[in-house]
Amino acid sequence: AQTVTQSQPEMSVQEAETVTLSCTYDTSESDYYLFWYKQPPSRQMILVIRQEAYKQQNATENRFSVNFQKAAKSFSLKISDSQLGDAAMYFCAYRSADKLIFGTGTRLQVFP
Amino acid sequence: DGGITQSPKYLFRKEGQNVTLSCEQNLNHDAMYWYRQDPGQGLRLIYYSQIVNDFQKGDIAEGYSVSREKKESFPLTVTSAQKNPTAFYLCASSPRGPSNQPQHFGDGTRLSIL
Repeated sequence: AQTVTQSQPEMSVQEAETVTLSCTYDTSESDYYLFWYKQPPSRQMILVIRQEAYKQQNATENRFSVNFQKAAKSFSLKISDSQLGDAAMYFCAYRSADKLIFGTGTRLQVFP
Repeated sequence: DGGITQSPKYLFRKEGQNVTLSCEQNLNHDAMYWYRQDPGQGLRLIYYSQIVNDFQKGDIAEGYSVSREKKESFPLTVTSAQKNPTAFYLCASSPRGPSNQPQHFGDGTRLSIL
């Protein structure tokens, strides 16, 4: 069975600085998809970024980028120029053929 | 605008009572999902459905039931057998099969015990 591990329950960063959130996963599949979701205090789930496993190039979305290491089964999220609005829970997720498997989340605090 | 509507936003259950959480989507997605989130925790899959009239148990299905009579609707019933139902419940939908299309989520229902 696939598993997703986020080893950092909490992280903090100063405004305008860069922070990296870790995620590892375990799978025997070769074709899959990875996602990072943000959950602010409103509890909405907001897609941050996605990565197809067959693509070697790391995905980027404005200030958000990933470091995807397929052999190591690692999928970390880098947030550059952190803003106060980035404070939230961040969930890493693995998509297999029929379902999405979530990690336990990392709570990110942003200090002015 | 297309999206997922969950209702009610807040729900209270008495001991021994069944309650049903509504989830409706107009995204024309085949697959729908129910997750449970406890405070400070991640999302755990309760049930999911890939097509109408078919659904599968997730990791924590005990004490819950679902139906999928229409493509747009996937209601979740929390039965009296679920002894600790207090949690935040999220419904999601997506295209079926391997895809880079993300799951779309509703705004959630918070269920509490009276």
